[in-house]
Amino acid sequence: DLQMTQSPAALYASVGDRVTITCRASQSIGTWLAWYQQKPGKAPKLLIYKASSLENGVSSRFSGSGSGTEFTLTISSLQADDFATYYCLQYNTFRTFGQGTKVEIK
Amino acid sequence: EVQLMESGGGLVQPGRSLRLSCVVSGFSLDDYAMHWVRQAPGKGLEWVSGISWNSANIAYADSVKGRFTISRDNAENSLYLQMDSLGVEDTAFYYCVRDTKTRIVVAGYLDFWGQGTRVTVSS
Repeated sequence: DLQMTQSPAALYASVGDRVTITCRASQSIGTWLAWYQQKPGKAPKLLIYKASSLENGVSSRFSGSGSGTEFTLTISSLQADDFATYYCLQYNTFRTFGQGTKVEIK
Repeated sequence: EVQLMESGGGLVQPGRSLRLSCVVSGFSLDDYAMHWVRQAPGKGLEWVSGISWNSANIAYADSVKGRFTISRDNAENSLYLQMDSLGVEDTAFYYCVRDTKTRIVVAGYLDFWGQGTRVTVSS
């Protein structure tokens, strides 16, 4: 089965920081990877698809990169609204989520 | 406006069954594959099941295979999840989610999510 390993599980950052989250696939998935943001009590929100394509309406401070087995979500300058949990999703073979990364206030 | 509305959650005893429903609006259901995704309390997202636009392709996570059945009625704009032999490990919020493709065997990501329905399995 295809596994997605996301790291770190949690990170502490300040407003204005540059934040990077990584997702690794157990086998190559090309660029079939999406990133989601979830806030407590809410449904996940799509940020990035096809590894690096920004969803309409999402701030350009979010960016994605990678291909094959290693992928990165970067928040260029963390804002107060960005404190949330982030998940990657592979959609090359059915669907598998990463374990999530909680971005917390330092 | 795209909307997905889940219902059917609740408290159920271990070993019993529950049927979740999802009614969609703002788009034509038969243009999209659909999925169920769940989230246990304080845990991450888990893909549960997916179904192609015409029900020809269906897939399940190993954790629910043989116990859960996904189905859809495009004419009724509805997606369903029949959950049998429920265990405490099935306690979670269940989300109805739209795919960007018509079939689950092609690379489609999940774009629109419902607000979820809570399922609690407890004696």
